[in-house]
Amino acid sequence: DAKTTQPPSMDCAEGRAANLPCNHSTISGNEYVYWYRQIHSQGPQYIIHGLKNNETNEMASLIITEDRKSSTLILPHATLRDTAVYYCIVRSSNTGNQFYFGTGTSLTVIP
Amino acid sequence: DVKVTQSSRYLVKRTGEKVFLECVQDMDHENMFWYRQDPGLGLRLIYFSYDVKMKEKGDIPEGYSVSREKKERFSLILESASTNQTSMYLCASSLIPTGGGKTQYFGPGTRLLVL
Repeated sequence: DAKTTQPPSMDCAEGRAANLPCNHSTISGNEYVYWYRQIHSQGPQYIIHGLKNNETNEMASLIITEDRKSSTLILPHATLRDTAVYYCIVRSSNTGNQFYFGTGTSLTVIP
Repeated sequence: DVKVTQSSRYLVKRTGEKVFLECVQDMDHENMFWYRQDPGLGLRLIYFSYDVKMKEKGDIPEGYSVSREKKERFSLILESASTNQTSMYLCASSLIPTGGGKTQYFGPGTRLLVL
């Protein structure tokens, strides 16, 4: 699986959009980009995933660059409950079964 | 919504005890997983199962065993608990055994302390 690089921490004002970047410059054509988050002492929560098109659901939007070497998770109106560690994971259809979680980005939403 | 539940949120056991961690999912998923999560080491796969009575070792199976007698239930067993098994244990399930685009859904975790 391609390696991902994320900033270790970010702050965001409550009510503003939180934009979390992820670099995956070695991504290959059959690898998906997944985003999960983990609130302190809880299990990881699935947010969204995509292959090459931008995706949106009720939680977030995922913007993948045309060359697929990077992506951005957007939380449109951050709330205090969005404070968590956010993980960007790249996973291929040929990979074994596990997800490899890196160190992620610790997002703090500030009142 | 997919729901993955784990039998305990917190557990304290003594060295040498046999420990059972249970996981149940309600979405008829074929695949189930056990991970442990430790600071600085991320999530590491212990065992997974792609069908009833089937199991495969993950990256760190030593000291653990698993049981899957029913599709919805996957148990992790610590045969003789040791202090280095103090960790957060996470169960997950997914719909199809392999393939990209197949999301894993996680339970809330069990924080195990072995004294």
